[in-house]
Amino acid sequence: AQSVTQLDSHVSVSEGTPVLLRCNYSSSYSPSLFWYVQHPNKGLQLLLKYTSAATLVKGINGFEAEFKKSETSFHLTKPSAHMSDAAEYFCVVSDWEGAQKLVFGQGTRLTINP
Amino acid sequence: GAGVSQTPSNKVTEKGKYVELRCDPISGHTALYWYRQSLGQGPEFLIYFQGTGAADDSGLPNDRFFAVRPEGSVSTLKIQRTERGDSAVYLCASSLTLLGGNTEAFFGQGTRLTVV
Repeated sequence: AQSVTQLDSHVSVSEGTPVLLRCNYSSSYSPSLFWYVQHPNKGLQLLLKYTSAATLVKGINGFEAEFKKSETSFHLTKPSAHMSDAAEYFCVVSDWEGAQKLVFGQGTRLTINP
Repeated sequence: GAGVSQTPSNKVTEKGKYVELRCDPISGHTALYWYRQSLGQGPEFLIYFQGTGAADDSGLPNDRFFAVRPEGSVSTLKIQRTERGDSAVYLCASSLTLLGGNTEAFFGQGTRLTVV
């Protein structure tokens, strides 16, 4: 069965500095991996998705993630944090590209300091 | 404007009561998903529909939980004999077709259920 571990429950960075949110996954197959963001009082929004086409995936709002099979990792990065990036971020795995069940990590709360 | 709409946004009920949570998917979306998010946790899969039929209900925690989608559009999640442990945010998502390729799931804002 697939699972996701987000290594930090809370990350705090200063505005304009890089962001790194860490995620490790476990899957029996060739997984699809996602990052979702959840702003307060808003629905979950897809940031980016990996489906084996390319290991470096670019998403919205300047975020990107790199799939590293040898490390079973899918860390999310952004070169320069903006105040509007403050939110909860979820790393998500599905067992294969056509799987309908998404398995979410516990989330990382990102705080941006002015 | 039409995103996924969930009603009510908040529901407080007494232990033992019956509740219904409603999800209006994006128009034309054939697939619909329910998730439950407990405090401090990530969402957990409950059930999904392709059209009117429940294709996978393996995430429903027990037989007090049931969901329907009779006309392939609106879905209702029904919880009987509610327990305090059922308190959570219930999320609904829809997608144009089944997930895969470039198909994305769009989530509603959720219904916060509190059982007292």
